[in-house]
Amino acid sequence: AQSVTQLGSHVSVSEGALVLLRCNYSSSVPPYLFWYVQYPNQGLQLLLKYTSAATLVKGINGFEAEFKKSETSFHLTKPSAHMSDAAEYFCAVSEGGGGNKLTFGTGTQLKVEL
Amino acid sequence: DTAVSQTPKYLVTQMGNDKSIKCEQNLGHDTMYWYKQDSKKFLKIMFSYNNKELIINETVPNRFSPKSPDKAHLNLHINSLELGDSAVYFCASSQDIAGAKEQFFGPGTRLTVL
Repeated sequence: AQSVTQLGSHVSVSEGALVLLRCNYSSSVPPYLFWYVQYPNQGLQLLLKYTSAATLVKGINGFEAEFKKSETSFHLTKPSAHMSDAAEYFCAVSEGGGGNKLTFGTGTQLKVEL
Repeated sequence: DTAVSQTPKYLVTQMGNDKSIKCEQNLGHDTMYWYKQDSKKFLKIMFSYNNKELIINETVPNRFSPKSPDKAHLNLHINSLELGDSAVYFCASSQDIAGAKEQFFGPGTRLTVL
C-alpha cells in the first residue's frame, strides 16, 4: 500500500529565505510523486511531478523537488521565498495501477514572513 | 474557460436531507474523481470513474452515490446527510487512469451539515 508522510505541519520562513518542505513516501512499486499547492478557499494546483524520468524535477513558480529512492524522499525546495508562496502544500503518491489513485500527505502550511 | 467546475460552491443543509454536487470538466479527459477534504485539510479519494465506469470506490458509505452520465460529468449524491459529512468535496479529472497523469482539481464545494 502506498503512503506519504509530510514532516512539519507548519513551516515558517522569512521572505527571501530557502523553502524546504519534506515528503517521504512508501510504495510497493516505483511510484509517481506529486506536489500540489492549495491557496485559501481554492482547489489544488499541480506544482510538479516525478514520473521516473529525471530525478530533479522543476516545477512552476521556481519550485523544484528531488526524487531520492534510497531515502524514499521527494522534498520540495525553492531558493528564495516570496510572500505569495504562503499556502498549503500537499505531497501525493500514485502507484499507477488501480485507477491512478492519489494518496496525499497531511499537508504543510507554509507561512512567509517579512 | 474553467477546466473543472463544481456547483454549488457552498452548501448548507440540515441533517437527514439529501443533496447533490455537480462536476463538469471541459478538458476532454476520460477519468474523473471525487475527493473529500476534512476539517484538518486531509484529502482522501472517494471514487473514480473512467469512461463512465466506476474504477475506485474507497469504502465510502453507500449513502454516497456517484453518477457519471457522460465522460465530462461526475455528480455526487448524498442521502441522509450526517454531521460528519461536513467537509470540502473536490472533483478532479485526468487524461486517463495512468498513474503518471496529472489530476486537475475543481474549486471545491464546502458542505456544512447542521
